[in-house]
Amino acid sequence: DAGVIQSPRHEVTEMGQEVTLRCKPISGHDYLFWYRQTMMRGLELLIYFNNNVPIDDSGMPEDRFSAKMPNASFSTLKIQPSEPRDSAVYFCASSPGALTYNEQFFGPGTRLTVL
Amino acid sequence: DQQVKQNSPSLSVQEGRISILNCDYTNSMFDYFLWYKKYPAEGPTFLISISSIKDKNEDGRFTVFLNKSAKHLSLHIVPSQPGDSAVYFCAALAHLNTGTASKLTFGTGTRLQVTL
Repeated sequence: DAGVIQSPRHEVTEMGQEVTLRCKPISGHDYLFWYRQTMMRGLELLIYFNNNVPIDDSGMPEDRFSAKMPNASFSTLKIQPSEPRDSAVYFCASSPGALTYNEQFFGPGTRLTVL
Repeated sequence: DQQVKQNSPSLSVQEGRISILNCDYTNSMFDYFLWYKKYPAEGPTFLISISSIKDKNEDGRFTVFLNKSAKHLSLHIVPSQPGDSAVYFCAALAHLNTGTASKLTFGTGTRLQVTL
């Protein structure tokens, strides 16, 4: 298995533009997580899905952020409009179960820079 | 409000010596703690964990100690190797009465540099 796949690996955009980050979880994993890493706050959970259904989106910073999981093998995180403070590394992770945190596998991340 | 704190952003240790990474938490409901390791341009990977019913868990060169009264845990790496150079994240969660778990709460990370 190739592991969790994220694209793009790097994204540079201008303030006000729409940004879409993509994630393909490990096949067979029922849980998908979106995290954001910043220097000030470390790794923060934005939202997670169970069987394609959003379970907890309390970490989504504001309405400019939205996430979807149309099927078991694909998820997107969209920021519209983007702002410079959204610059961070965004990670997608998947796991076979909610309590199997030892088996939460992270993708390589997308480094987002908003100018 | 950081519920999990790693107050040392960086640490430098000589090869062969002990590395001690510290983590403090404020939420008394946390009952399971994990350490993740992250290399540049890669996602974090699970390293070691400990339940609140224990005060120590060991896996090879890695040992995690938990002091519940002080709400403090530490990761010891002995002996340290150059390949251990990475960012280490402490994380915590609480098991809920519903049989599920809270989300993982991470610290800000400590960058470990093991020098020759």
